[in-house]
Parts: sequence; structure tokens; C-alpha cells
Amino acid sequence: QKEVEQNSGPLSVPEGAIASLNCTYSDRGSQSFFWYRQYSGKSPELIMSIYSNGDKEDGRFTAQLNKASQYVSLLIRDSQPSDSATYLCAVNVRNSGNTPLVFGKGTRLSVIA
Amino acid sequence: DGGITQSPKYLFRKEGQNVTLSCEQNLNHDAMYWYRQDPGQGLRLIYYSQIVNDFQKGDIAEGYSVSREKKESFPLTVTSAQKNPTAFYLCASNRGRADTQYFGPGTRLTVL
Repeated sequence: QKEVEQNSGPLSVPEGAIASLNCTYSDRGSQSFFWYRQYSGKSPELIMSIYSNGDKEDGRFTAQLNKASQYVSLLIRDSQPSDSATYLCAVNVRNSGNTPLVFGKGTRLSVIA
Repeated sequence: DGGITQSPKYLFRKEGQNVTLSCEQNLNHDAMYWYRQDPGQGLRLIYYSQIVNDFQKGDIAEGYSVSREKKESFPLTVTSAQKNPTAFYLCASNRGRADTQYFGPGTRLTVL
């Protein structure tokens, strides 16, 4: 069963706090994991990709992958009102023929000034 | 500039009409994808193509058709058979199945 799950939110955090976004996936063989940000009325834009267990940091963003627990998360440090958006988790499903990335439904983040 | 372009940005259609949404990329990507997004919903895959002259149905292909005659172009036709076509349509591309997908700006289709 191909499935990527995200809490739809909204997740509200105060400005300057850490926002933690979570994603679980069902296929234990998944190899590639992506986080996209989508502002209202706009198309998704890539924030980070992660392929190996552990943490990957890029500026204020940190992606965390735990393949044993089938869990990937995105931390946003020093959250800003401009971070308010929907965050989509996407997973590559192994052994699914040519099936492309599977997307979660997204978590809506609201950063309160 | 390299990227993905979609046109038109907004499209209005009368019931019973077919309309074609354009998607062009100059990233030299082999694979291209069409998604539909409804308000407050995630992305649903309509069709995808991994190579020229070949394409596969996604999860919601009924009422849609595509062609892939050139590597750069992957137009989507919304036919009159699509019962509820009002949505935001997104085109994406990448180098292959496991690679990062990049999105175009989208076309918002409204059926009058």
C-alpha cells in the first residue's frame, strides 16, 4: 500500500520558535524523501531532499530521516511569518514500476508574529 | 533561464468543451508529470511520461488525455468526460523516477 501521511494542521507556532513537521510512510523500501513548501495559490517549491538516515541541515531547515521507524520530519528554526505555508512530504516508492513520487496531503503551518 | 512553463495561467471553460493545458520544460528532463490539486487537498497524479512517445495513467486519468511527441512538451487535454474539472493543474518534471521533481507555476481551470 503506497501511502504518505501528514497531519493536516494547522500547526501554529510563535515567531522565533521551532516548527516541527512530521511525515510517515508505509513502504519500508522507500529510498528518496523530499520536503516541498507551497504558498497559497502557488506551485510547490523544493526545500530539501534526504536519502540517508540522520539529519541534514540547510540554513534554518533540518530534515530528519529514520528509515527503521519510517518517519521523516522537517524542523524550521527561528520561524518567520514568511514560513507560513503548506508543507508537502514526498516519498519515492521502491519497486513500484515507474510510479513517481507519492505526496502527502500537506501540513499547513501558521507562524504568528 | 531554465525552467518549466505552463499556459495559460487562468482558463475558463464551458461545460462540454475540451481544453488543452500547455506544459514546456527546457531542463532536458526525461520525465514529466501532471497533477491536479483541489482546495485544501494534496496532489493527485493524472498522467506521467518517462520518455518521449510513452506515458502512463496515474491515479485519476479518467476524463484526461496527454501526448508526448517532444521531450520538452507534455500537453494535457481535459475532455468533456471529466465530470468535475475545476481545479489547479500542476506540471512537473525530473530526470527520472527517484529524482527531485520541479514544478511549473500551474494553471487554474474553472468550468462555468
